[in-house]
Amino acid sequence: GENVEQHPSTLSVQEGDSAVIKCTYSDSASNYFPWYKQELGKRPQLIIDIRSNVGEKKDQRIAVTLNKTAKHFSLHITETQPEDSAVYFCAARPQGGSEKLVFGKGTKLTVNP
Amino acid sequence: NAGVMQNPRHLVRRRGQEARLRCSPMKGHSHVYWYRQLPEEGLKFMVYLQKENIIDESGMPKERFSAEFPKEGPSILRIQQVVRGDSAAYFCASSPSGANSPLHFGNGTRLTVT
Repeated sequence: GENVEQHPSTLSVQEGDSAVIKCTYSDSASNYFPWYKQELGKRPQLIIDIRSNVGEKKDQRIAVTLNKTAKHFSLHITETQPEDSAVYFCAARPQGGSEKLVFGKGTKLTVNP
Repeated sequence: NAGVMQNPRHLVRRRGQEARLRCSPMKGHSHVYWYRQLPEEGLKFMVYLQKENIIDESGMPKERFSAEFPKEGPSILRIQQVVRGDSAAYFCASSPSGANSPLHFGNGTRLTVT
C-alpha cells in the first residue's frame, strides 16, 4: 500500500523567511496530493492540493510542486507570518482502491516574530 | 453549509465501557472517512464508508471497533470495551465523491479513557 514520508518533523523560521516541507510517496499510481494545516486543538484544513497531471500550483504565498518521476512533492510558504505556525500534513491518494488519503506524520512549523 | 459535524467534542469513558462517536457529513456528501490521531502524530486511516456500505475498513482494528453509515442519520464509530490505548482524537471527513475530491474534516471527538 501507499506510504508517505514527510520531512522535516519540525521547522523553525523567522518571520518573512520562506519555509519548505517535503514529502515522498511510494505508490506511483497515486494521483492526488493535498496539504492540510492543523492548528493546535483544531481540525485539519485543506490549504492547497495538486493532481498528478500538474507540476506546480500556486495560491498567494503558498505553492506546491510535484515531481512524479521522483515521487515527491513539496509545500513552499513564502513571506511567512506568525499565524502560519501550525502542523502541516501532506497526503497522497492512490488511484483506484478505496479513495482514502494516506497522510505523512506532519511538520510542526514555528514562525518566530 | 454547516460543514462536517461531529459529536460529542469530548468524551470520557472508563475502561471497559463503550464509546459512540457520531459524524454528519457536509450536505451533498455521500462519502465518509474516519481517522485517528494520537498526540503529536499524524492522521491514521481507519475506515471509509458510503451510505449503507463499508468500502474499506483496512485501518480499523478487527476487534472492538465497528462503523456504520446508515441510510438515514449520521455515521457512527463504535468502540466497545475501551482501553487506555484508545485515547485519541477521532476525526471524521466527508467528500462529495471519492475520486480526486478534497476531504473536509470535522472538529473531531477527543476520547479519553480513564
